[in-house]
Amino acid sequence: GAGVSQSPSNKVTEKGKDVELRCDPISGHTALYWYRQSLGQGLEFLIYFQGNSAPDKSGLPSDRFSAERTGGSVSTLTIQRTQQEDSAVYLCASSLAARPNNQPQHFGDGTRLSIL
Amino acid sequence: DQQVKQNSPSLSVQEGRISILNCDYTNSMFDYFLWYKKYPAEGPTFLISISSIKDKNEDGRFTVFLNKSAKHLSLHIVPSQPGDSAVYFCAASPYSGAGSYQLTFGKGTKLSVIP
Repeated sequence: GAGVSQSPSNKVTEKGKDVELRCDPISGHTALYWYRQSLGQGLEFLIYFQGNSAPDKSGLPSDRFSAERTGGSVSTLTIQRTQQEDSAVYLCASSLAARPNNQPQHFGDGTRLSIL
Repeated sequence: DQQVKQNSPSLSVQEGRISILNCDYTNSMFDYFLWYKKYPAEGPTFLISISSIKDKNEDGRFTVFLNKSAKHLSLHIVPSQPGDSAVYFCAASPYSGAGSYQLTFGKGTKLSVIP
């Protein structure tokens, strides 16, 4: 498809388990972002990748969270030793380039993560 | 501290009338602003954006106005249609020398367009 693709769409796991969330950005988009939306909250920035540059990890809430982007395309967000407060919708977005071209970010439908 | 605020959690408008959604921000470093529409169980869909060098941007039924001195922007939808019923998020991005242009989002306004 032409849009940002995320998998799985839903994930239920037990507290303490590790999870991996996947994002396929729009072809040709060099910038990739991860956000999360907790219940009743706005979207919260997690991490940003731009080409081969070092990622901006300033939004990651703890060292249990990590992400990588292989070959400048697909990205994986990993949460280790999950906690109940990690339950949220995790959204991935991509854009043609970072600023200053003012390119909008386009979002996938997200992964709904539930920690039991 | 919320840097992007949407003070109206919900708004109801009659079909055919104008919908006005408002957004305030506090961070003077923000210089690119966007509106997204979100349906349940879907990701946000980009609607329209505006750079701080402009005060108005129009795309079909959607117009965004920016008042930099008041740190306020608004989205006008004219005429409103039942299919516009969704949650609308205001988002802002700073110019950053470090190169990261993450969006800061408001909490959203749920628009209901009544047929």
